[in-house]
Amino acid sequence: SSVLTQPPSLSVAPGQTATITCEGPNIGSKSVHWYQQKPGQAPILVVSADSDRPSGIPERLSGSKSGNTATLTISRVEAGDEADFHCQVWDRSSDHPIFGGGTKLTVL
Amino acid sequence: QVNLVQSGAEVKKPGASVKVSCKTSGYSFTGDDINWVRQAPGQGLEWMGWMNPATGDSGYGQKFQGRVTLTRDTAISTAYMELRSLRFEDTAIYYCARGVAAAGTDWFDPWGQGTLVTVSS
Repeated sequence: SSVLTQPPSLSVAPGQTATITCEGPNIGSKSVHWYQQKPGQAPILVVSADSDRPSGIPERLSGSKSGNTATLTISRVEAGDEADFHCQVWDRSSDHPIFGGGTKLTVL
Repeated sequence: QVNLVQSGAEVKKPGASVKVSCKTSGYSFTGDDINWVRQAPGQGLEWMGWMNPATGDSGYGQKFQGRVTLTRDTAISTAYMELRSLRFEDTAIYYCARGVAAAGTDWFDPWGQGTLVTVSS
């Protein structure tokens, strides 16, 4: 099974761009999904299959992937974006999902 | 609107068992897997297992093999997670989530609101 590595924390000023990474071996051959978890709340899906945004998710949030790194980009960051963000892949060799350790986004 | 509503918080003693329910609505209960994920205080997400509500088939993470059982009642569109031989380190929020399978991958959407299980003597 693989391990997904995320930076533990990231601080961004309002109006700036937040870039959250998720690295792992062979991630280039897997679909990456992203969840946002605000304090005291359950996670919600914000990006599926690398770059698809569910309905209701602002266009300011976007996903991409290059090589063994997936990236969640949040443009024009707002105070309400403050949350933990988790990446996830499905590992076919073990037939179970793997989560990254999560990144805490702080809006300054 | 797809919705998953979980049972309320539980306090258990070490060695006891806990059973958490997850009532679904807004979609065909037997059409998608239900997964269970837990989150210890201040920690990340940890997958526990999946269940196919149509067949009752289930699969578990290695860490939980032999200690967790996932079941369902199709008549009331509800899934259950039972964890036995509770330890202090099982204190966590337990989430159910609908598994969405597409294009050769699986993701979770939506999630239940979570159930806090506290193991305390």
